[in-house]
Amino acid sequence: EIVMTQSPATLSVSPGESATLSCRASQTLSTNLAWYQQKPGQSPRLLIYGASIRATGVPARFSGSGSGTEFTLTVSSLQSEDFAVYYCQQYNQWPRMFGQGTKVEVK
Amino acid sequence: QLQLQESGPGLVKPSETLSLTCSVSGGSISSSIDYWVWIRQPPGKGLEWIGNIYSRGRTSSRGSTYYSPSLESRVTISVDTSRNQFSLRLISVTAADTAVYFCARERVIVVGALVHYAMDVWGQGTTVTVSS
Repeated sequence: EIVMTQSPATLSVSPGESATLSCRASQTLSTNLAWYQQKPGQSPRLLIYGASIRATGVPARFSGSGSGTEFTLTVSSLQSEDFAVYYCQQYNQWPRMFGQGTKVEVK
Repeated sequence: QLQLQESGPGLVKPSETLSLTCSVSGGSISSSIDYWVWIRQPPGKGLEWIGNIYSRGRTSSRGSTYYSPSLESRVTISVDTSRNQFSLRLISVTAADTAVYFCARERVIVVGALVHYAMDVWGQGTTVTVSS
């Protein structure tokens, strides 16, 4: 199975600043990677698939990049509603695997 | 608009069987471009993919399934097309199976020559505690 590693575990950012989250896969994924956002007490929400394709309704301040084994999620000009935990997930093969998550918190 | 709703007991005794159902409304569980997924999240921890099933009009309750290797010996996912729902069964549970259990739709999305899979609709989750 593919192991997904996210860094950092916690990112402290001031509102209005940008956040850059990293995700590394133990095997090449091409661009078969998705990003999810989860707020406390809520279900995860799909943000990005295909490493860089925003899901319907996702604001343009969320952008994804990368291919192969290295991926990045950038949230520009963080809004109050963006402070949450973010997970990357590979769908290159079964079993699907999630990273352990990056918590974006208010600095 | 597709909606998913998990249901089942909130408390299960150790060594017994956890059974949950996900009811699908606003769409068909027999869709040819959808997989139906179970994910769980232990308290304070990350997301763990349990497995999925692909129905595509099959009347059999089995469908095509994929399971997490760490749970494969204990888990069964089945589908009931007549009720438009799918189910999770996990046997011999322990305290380590205490978690919020989510059902989700994994949609097949074709972009040019590439095929993507995205979990774009999720249930609200149901908390299951394993305790005597």
